[in-house]
Order: sequence, then C-alpha cells, then structure tokens
Amino acid sequence: DADVTQTPRNRITKTGKRIMLECSQTKGHDRMYWYRQDPGLGLRLIYYSFDVKDINKGEISDGYSVSRQAQAKFSLSLESAIPNQTALYFCALPAVSGANVLTFGAGSRLTVL
Amino acid sequence: DQQVKQNSPSLSVQEGRISILNCDYTNSMFDYFLWYKKYPAEGPTFLISISSIKDKNEDGRFTVFLNKSAKHLSLHIVPSQPGDSAVYFCAASDGAGSYQLTFGKGTKLSVIP
Repeated sequence: DADVTQTPRNRITKTGKRIMLECSQTKGHDRMYWYRQDPGLGLRLIYYSFDVKDINKGEISDGYSVSRQAQAKFSLSLESAIPNQTALYFCALPAVSGANVLTFGAGSRLTVL
Repeated sequence: DQQVKQNSPSLSVQEGRISILNCDYTNSMFDYFLWYKKYPAEGPTFLISISSIKDKNEDGRFTVFLNKSAKHLSLHIVPSQPGDSAVYFCAASDGAGSYQLTFGKGTKLSVIP
C-alpha cells in the first residue's frame, strides 16, 4: 500500500459546487500537509495539521477548509469552487528517513469550469 | 515575494553530459534545503538534501552544493540520463524537524538522447 493515498485522482466540477479531496495515510504520522501546484508556480502550502486537534493555515488557505477526522485522514474542502482553484493538489506527510523530508501522494487534479 | 527562486524554467542537456540546476533563496532562517523530482501525473519525489552545516552532499550521480554566503544552491547530475527528464523543485525549511517546505517554481530538465 502507498504511504499516502489521495482520492479522487481527477475531478471536474462547476463553479459554486462544493468539493472534497481526501487523503489517507498508513504510517501513523501525526503531521499531514496539503499543497497546491499551479503550472509555473511550484507548490504552495494550503493547510497543515500536527494532530487531530491542531490545524494550521498555510500560505494560501483562503477559499479552503480542512478536516482531520482521524490521525490517518486529512480532507481538503472547497466550499464554493471557483475556476482559479483549478490545480493539482498534493497531500504529504513526513518521510521515514531524512530530516525535513516530506513524502507526497500522487495528487488530485481538480478542474473547475 | 518569492523566498526560493529557480530562475531557469527549463534546461536541455545532452545525454551523458552534466546537468546543473540552480536555486537562490532570500530567507536567512532557512537551514535545510531539498531537491524534489516530479514526473507528469505523479507526486514529487525526494531526491537529495543538504543541511546548512555542510557545503556539499553527494548521492550517486546527484550532488548538491550550498553556498550560504551567496544564498545559492545547485544540483549537479552527472552523467545525465534520459530518465532524468522531469521537473526539479528546490525547497527550503527552517529548523530541524520543520516540514513546512517553501518551494521554488521548478525547472524542467530535458535530457536529449
């Protein structure tokens, strides 16, 4: 099993719709992260969680919310999707080896029409 | 204001030659630097890192050099192989155990057979 599993892998939705991206992990880490990648802009941190009761905003949290339902699950929600939220979304958690290293999921490609 | 800068969006190199990818940073608090590699439709994968107490770290064909006074790091790939063709992201963090990574915009490397 992959360390980090993201669902859905691809999603097309319409402006104004609510969308949830889900992330689950099998490693028992307390920390989990959500990043967004746009072409030519690299990856930017949206939200991160140190444990179930500790949620923190990242660089670009506006328009997003998160839920840490359990240690293994960290969901990202767009309450009312807009076209400029079209992007690749990655969930990540600390790697087993290597200081400060994150392991990323395969990503969720979201298109908002 | 971008704290981690990769000023070359793309780089083409002949197979067997050296690839040099550059990265500059502005935040003096950064003390861990990482390189990630990303293929299309996959999440970023960790390649190599360096702590600010070192000026060089080597792992097989990959070497990262850090020049703290210039706030500059570079990734050398020798010899370059077609399978190295990917987007390379430079990332930085401050403090041991900090997984909040700040990424550059990425450099797309094409290794020509």
